[in-house]
Amino acid sequence: KAGVTQTPRYLIKTRGQQVTLSCSPISGHRSVSWYQQTPGQGLQFLFEYFSETQRNKGNFPGRFSGRQFSNSRSEMNVSTLELGDSALYLCASSLVSGGANEQFFGPGTRLTVL
Amino acid sequence: AQKITQTQPGMFVQEKEAVTLDCTYDTSDPSYGLFWYKQPSSGEMIFLIYQGSYDQQNATEGRYSLNFQKARKSANLVISASQLGDSAMYFCAMREGHSGAGSYQLTFGKGTKLSVIP
Repeated sequence: KAGVTQTPRYLIKTRGQQVTLSCSPISGHRSVSWYQQTPGQGLQFLFEYFSETQRNKGNFPGRFSGRQFSNSRSEMNVSTLELGDSALYLCASSLVSGGANEQFFGPGTRLTVL
Repeated sequence: AQKITQTQPGMFVQEKEAVTLDCTYDTSDPSYGLFWYKQPSSGEMIFLIYQGSYDQQNATEGRYSLNFQKARKSANLVISASQLGDSAMYFCAMREGHSGAGSYQLTFGKGTKLSVIP
């Protein structure tokens, strides 16, 4: 089975721009979560999607948004980029039914805001 | 209050020795799960081991074991026979609520950087 894939792997943007990151979960997984990792704040939960619905959202401003498509692929969007948005963005997928306990993470997208 | 506390920012261990990475947690939810992930310099989070709050026995996965002390709210990771490839960041994380019923949101600790010395 292919793992979680994220595109692009690296991205450089300037302040004020917007960015869209993509995540393809493991086949059959219906839950996709997004996390932001920075040296200062560590790993922080952004949001989780299940069956195209946002189930939970972390404490981030409205500039951060996401969506999930019918094939479970997910995108997250950050508008009006700030320097502090520079981070590693990790996507994780989970198989909700069957009591699986793991979230499988992708390799991440490293976003640099100049 | 922090939900997950990892008090060791960095640890050194000799190759082939065992090492314990500390993790304490804070929750009032009777149902929760505790995870350990490894993050090499490449950035990808690699799942190591899981312990459910109702599990009676400590979890083990190969060279990894979890020393679960529920009353002390402690979930330390023990790595036996350390290898050079074990050098990485290690994160303890918690999910509150029942699997499949609640959210899959994970709360992470700040991590411990483990360095294995040849």
